[in-house]
Amino acid sequence: DTGVSQDPRHKITKRGQNVTFRCDPISEHNRLYWYRQTLGQGPEFLTYFQNEAQLEKSRLLSDRFSAERPKGSFSTLEIQRTEQGDSAMYLCASSLNGQDNEKLFFGSGTQLSVL
Amino acid sequence: KQEVTQIPAALSVPEGENLVLNCSFTDSAIYNLQWFRQDPGKGLTSLLLIQSSQREQTSGRLNASLDKSSGRSTLYIAASQPGDSATYLCAAPALGSNYKLTFGKGTLLTVNP
Repeated sequence: DTGVSQDPRHKITKRGQNVTFRCDPISEHNRLYWYRQTLGQGPEFLTYFQNEAQLEKSRLLSDRFSAERPKGSFSTLEIQRTEQGDSAMYLCASSLNGQDNEKLFFGSGTQLSVL
Repeated sequence: KQEVTQIPAALSVPEGENLVLNCSFTDSAIYNLQWFRQDPGKGLTSLLLIQSSQREQTSGRLNASLDKSSGRSTLYIAASQPGDSATYLCAAPALGSNYKLTFGKGTLLTVNP
């Protein structure tokens, strides 16, 4: 068990650029989640995958955001035409359906700064 | 819509004290409740998960209780240490979900040596 890995740890970009983040969940976990956290707030749910299927998307996930999990393993979160309001910590988590009553394991996050 | 509130927002205690962090939630029909720890600039570490059928869970110096009827959970930390300094987050699933978590804003704990 190597834990949930996220890459990169930090990303600085200029407004209007596209960025992509990667998440590698714990290998046997079939559920994968993306959350977003701004300073002084708790994480907010963005989207959820069961295997390769994206089953739920938050209204927070505008049309500029897209997430994929093509083979049911790693996932990517892309933000197009970044805005300063996108600056946040993007957290990925995974869980195994039915295991530990859905305990979530989080990665260390990707801190995005949009200048 | 599930709402989670944590009190206090910040807490500073001397080393060795026992302390209690509070969490309240509005939708009591939850599958479980989780407590997490977050160090500055880092991700979340799961501390304890209490299933809906349980009243409490213990791990080392940590004890979490759950009272669904009143919509409350507490995290008790015994004999606090400077290494316990972190933000503690409570999370409850959204209505009808066992996976989509709603988080509180957290309690920032500082344990002074």
